[in-house]
Amino acid sequence: RKEVEQDPGPFNVPEGATVAFNCTYSNSASQSFFWYRQDCRKEPKLLMSVYSSGNEDGRFTAQLNRASQYISLLIRDSKLSDSATYLCVVNGGGNEKLTFGTGTRLTIIP
Amino acid sequence: EPEVTQTPSHQVTQMGQEVILRCVPISNHLYFYWYRQILGQKVEFLVSFYNNEISEKSEIFDDQFSVERPDGSNFTLKIRSTKLEDSAMYFCASSDVTHQPQHFGDGTRLSIL
Repeated sequence: RKEVEQDPGPFNVPEGATVAFNCTYSNSASQSFFWYRQDCRKEPKLLMSVYSSGNEDGRFTAQLNRASQYISLLIRDSKLSDSATYLCVVNGGGNEKLTFGTGTRLTIIP
Repeated sequence: EPEVTQTPSHQVTQMGQEVILRCVPISNHLYFYWYRQILGQKVEFLVSFYNNEISEKSEIFDDQFSVERPDGSNFTLKIRSTKLEDSAMYFCASSDVTHQPQHFGDGTRLSIL
């Protein structure tokens, strides 16, 4: 099983729609969870941290299910600027390194 | 907003040569990292550095690689005897405490010819 697994997509979604991404991780000792976004040939940029209670930042909602080792990201009212690759990222289990998924590519269509 | 800066943005080097990639982490951060991303692949951890020593390294980070914090601001990655497969984007990151979000620089694209 991959350490962090994501559906690579691509997801082609009309502007204004809601889109959801899922991610699973294999290390049950993982302690911190993040969604990063990466534009083409750019650096990963932190989108949001993910907490067990779930958290929301504007149009973005992240959920964590520790029992199922599952992380989700929901984007509401999608905008053209949301087009990017979304990276599920996990940290912990006694170490500091970030483990990245392969990313899910999202394209918002006008 | 404070940011991690990396130089150069693009480095072209002949195979077998040595390269040094430079990073200036965010000033109050204590933990420093290098990652790489081969074109079309996922971001991979190379090494973490804290208190002037390596705290963790991956299998990729073999004797060909070394890191150094030569002064109070710079953090460098040296790659000796470069190989074609070292061609990748190299990202530096820093964080203020362990497990807190890591902030990435905009990367150095390394091309080995």
